[in-house]
Amino acid sequence: AQTVTQSQPEMSVQEAETVTLSCTYDTSESDYYLFWYKQPPSRQMILVIRQEAYKQQNATENRFSVNFQKAAKSFSLKISDSQLGDAAMYFCAYRSRYSGGGADGLTFGKGTHLIIQP
Amino acid sequence: DAEITQSPRHKITETGRQVTLACHQTWNHNNMFWYRQDLGHGLRLIHYSYGVHDTNKGEVSDGYSVSRSNTEDLPLTLESAASSQTSVYFCASNRDRMGTEAFFGQGTRLTVV
Repeated sequence: AQTVTQSQPEMSVQEAETVTLSCTYDTSESDYYLFWYKQPPSRQMILVIRQEAYKQQNATENRFSVNFQKAAKSFSLKISDSQLGDAAMYFCAYRSRYSGGGADGLTFGKGTHLIIQP
Repeated sequence: DAEITQSPRHKITETGRQVTLACHQTWNHNNMFWYRQDLGHGLRLIHYSYGVHDTNKGEVSDGYSVSRSNTEDLPLTLESAASSQTSVYFCASNRDRMGTEAFFGQGTRLTVV
C-alpha cells in the first residue's frame, strides 16, 4: 500500500515571502499522480496543483510550483509571494494510475498547517 | 454550474443509531468516494464507486456501507453509530480512473454521543 508523509505539522511564513512544504511518498509503482490540496477554515478541499509521474517537468500554477523528485519519491510545494489568503491546511495526495485491488481513490498525508504572518 | 453537495452539514446522533449521510453530484461523474477526516490522520478512504451498482471498500470501511442506485448519489450509512465514528466526512467525485481532479463536497461534521 502507498503511504504519504508530510513531516511538517505546521509552518509559518511572513507575508510576501516564499515557503516550501515537504511531502514524501512510498510506492512500488512507476506511474501515478500527485496532488496538493488546500483546505481553508471553510473546510472546502481545493486542488492547488497536480503532477503526473511520467512527466519530468515540474508543474506550476501561478505562485505555486512543485519540486518533483521521482527517484527520491519527494513532491514539495513552493508558494511564492505568500498572501494572507494562502493560510490553510495543505494536503499532499497520491493516486495510483492503476485501478483495482484497493489502489483507488486518493491517499493523503496528514497535512501541514500553514500560517501567514502579516 | 455543476457541483457536489453533502447533507446535512452538521449532525449529532446517539450511539447505536443508524445514520445516513447524503452526497449528490451534478457533474455526471462515474466515480464517487467517501473519506473521513480526523486530526492526526488526514483524509482516509471509506468506500468508493465506479458506477451504478458498483461499490468497493476502502481503507477504513468497517461499520460503513454505501449503495449506488443512480449516477448522481452515493449515500453513506453508518449501520450502528459508534463514538469512534465522530469525524468530518467528505464526499468526492471525478470523471475517470486516471489522474483527473477530484471535486469535493463541503463536508459533514458528525458527532456521535
